Amino acid sequence: AQSVSQHNHHVILSEAASLELGCNYSYGGTVNLFWYVQYPGQHLQLLLKYFSGDPLVKGIKGFEAEFIKSKFSFNLRKPSVQWSDTAEYFCAVNTGGFKTIFGAGTRLFVKA
Amino acid sequence: EADIYQTPRYLVIGTGKKITLECSQTMGHDKMYWYQQDPGMELHLIHYSYGVNSTEKGDLSSESTVSRIRTEHFPLTLESARPSHTSQYLCASSPVEGVGYTFGSGTRLTVV
Repeated sequence: AQSVSQHNHHVILSEAASLELGCNYSYGGTVNLFWYVQYPGQHLQLLLKYFSGDPLVKGIKGFEAEFIKSKFSFNLRKPSVQWSDTAEYFCAVNTGGFKTIFGAGTRLFVKA
Repeated sequence: EADIYQTPRYLVIGTGKKITLECSQTMGHDKMYWYQQDPGMELHLIHYSYGVNSTEKGDLSSESTVSRIRTEHFPLTLESARPSHTSQYLCASSPVEGVGYTFGSGTRLTVV
């Protein structure tokens, strides 16, 4: 069955530390890839997306993600996190049509 | 400002009651979706709509029903609420399939 795995359920970092959140999916065909973020008390919002082309995509607030097709991965990165990045991050994969599969989320807590 | 609205934000209701969760969007999107979200779990698609008068069930079995009489409105109804329906319900929309969603703030439902 198609699935999306986010390896870390909880991550705690200090401000200015670098961030990498892992995301792997199981689907052999063409995919569209997404990262969503949910700040405390707010709705889910799109952070960045990949459809085709340059596998390194940049999103809002200094986030970027790299699509590595051979590894079925779409890891999220940020060179230096801030306290305001404390949130839950969801990886999602669209395999065509309405079929978008979400991971279970990673809760990031950034210590000031 | 174009957006997607869900009401109520929180709802506590007794077993056996009929409830309707409201979702409206002002973006003119044809595609609308209902997801169920539980803490630490993946989001699961329970209903989606291609457009007016077109609805389909998602992957997750649900005892809820939906309707789409107007483009902007996509309510979800539970005829007889049960404690197993306790969850967060997220409404989302997109202009076309597979390009990413705009989410509402969600309705957190508790059935006692």
